[in-house]
Amino acid sequence: GQSLEQPSEVTAVEGAIVQINCTYQTSGFYGLSWYQQHDGGAPTFLSYNALDGLEETGRFSSFLSRSDSYGYLLLQELQMKDSASYFCAVRDQTGGFKTIFGAGTRLFVKA
Amino acid sequence: DVKVTQSSRYLVKRTGEKVFLECVQDMDHENMFWYRQDPGLGLRLIYFSYDVKMKEKGDIPEGYSVSREKKERFSLILESASTNQTSMYLCATQRAQSYEQYFGPGTRLTVT
Repeated sequence: GQSLEQPSEVTAVEGAIVQINCTYQTSGFYGLSWYQQHDGGAPTFLSYNALDGLEETGRFSSFLSRSDSYGYLLLQELQMKDSASYFCAVRDQTGGFKTIFGAGTRLFVKA
Repeated sequence: DVKVTQSSRYLVKRTGEKVFLECVQDMDHENMFWYRQDPGLGLRLIYFSYDVKMKEKGDIPEGYSVSREKKERFSLILESASTNQTSMYLCATQRAQSYEQYFGPGTRLTVT
């Protein structure tokens, strides 16, 4: 079967660094994406990794290891506004345009 | 600026009713998707379309159908609504061969 696993909740303090892990098991793999969703809002795209390594976009970085079927999202200098749900998603190559989402990680940032 | 709109933010329907959810995009994207989002389950793909009049089943198509008569519009149809279809429904679009999806604001459907 196809599945993505990520922690259900993570709590961190303002200014800290937090890492949200994602492991996946899919029949095909074309890249790992991360999305952010605030309460009541729509998911918004954060990052994408097709190749192994680290991609940095401001305070957010995303890492991928295809051999380990593993990736993570790293959030630095946490701010209260980073409190949200974060979803990893795999684009399934065998499905063409199909994207499979994880269940999401709820991040709570405390003052 | 990318814009994806959904016909309603909140909708209440009765069991057995036929329900239409509409999604309209103005980005000329080829691919469109319907997801439902439930607590603890993330986003689950119901149907997607990569071209006008083309559709593919996602992971949970049972009880749903779709229609894409024009490139900019993708409709989700609940043939006979049931209480287990109470959920948040999200539409998304994507340019062909791209990886980024753009989501609409969602429709929270309650079936009583």
